[in-house]
Amino acid sequence: DSGVTQTPKHLITATGQRVTLRCSPRSGDLSVYWYQQSLDQGLQFLIQYYNGEERAKGNILERFSAQQFPDLHSELNLSSLELGDSALYFCASSAGQMNTEAFFGQGTRLTVV
Amino acid sequence: QKEVEQDPGPLSVPEGAIVSLNCTYSNSAFQYFMWYRQYSRKGPELLMYTYSSGNKEDGRFTAQVDKSSKYISLFIRDSQPSDSATYLCAMVKTGNQFYFGTGTSLTVIP
Repeated sequence: DSGVTQTPKHLITATGQRVTLRCSPRSGDLSVYWYQQSLDQGLQFLIQYYNGEERAKGNILERFSAQQFPDLHSELNLSSLELGDSALYFCASSAGQMNTEAFFGQGTRLTVV
Repeated sequence: QKEVEQDPGPLSVPEGAIVSLNCTYSNSAFQYFMWYRQYSRKGPELLMYTYSSGNKEDGRFTAQVDKSSKYISLFIRDSQPSDSATYLCAMVKTGNQFYFGTGTSLTVIP
């Protein structure tokens, strides 16, 4: 167990809908990272927050947004969902700003039908 | 062309073999290099990271970086069935931009 908790584990929703994925980092970790893993694109970095502030941005679509709350948990919001958004979404956390010592959660499997 | 290229395999080896996993990259801006192991239905697990050319050893694992050739490798000695997983290379640019390889599927046969 990495200590990073993601909920829900599975999510099935229809196209056009909006969902929120939640991540609780390891105790004491200030950075949270979001990744998308699909069969055709592999693992892609979406966004990083550090102590509540956006720190780095990757290939995150405009339909997606994230935030980190004062208690350091983070949420990834996905809206106007398309079939191609079906993927595993991982959250990772690290103590500092660099991902060299990050720990991943078990992921949320999103299926858009 | 992708910034990070990794042979997807699959790779199948007998127990005890030495395994070599490789990635190439095109952008010299990458500063940190990492290897992750991912078991089926699990999140990636960091194995090793390095930021300089040369070798870094941790138990049965050795990470090798050759910045002049833009090539990184992970060697697994005395491979075990429990090493069967997908191995992902990852690289970080200035500004914390992360890029992953597509992963190499490894099976170690008892």
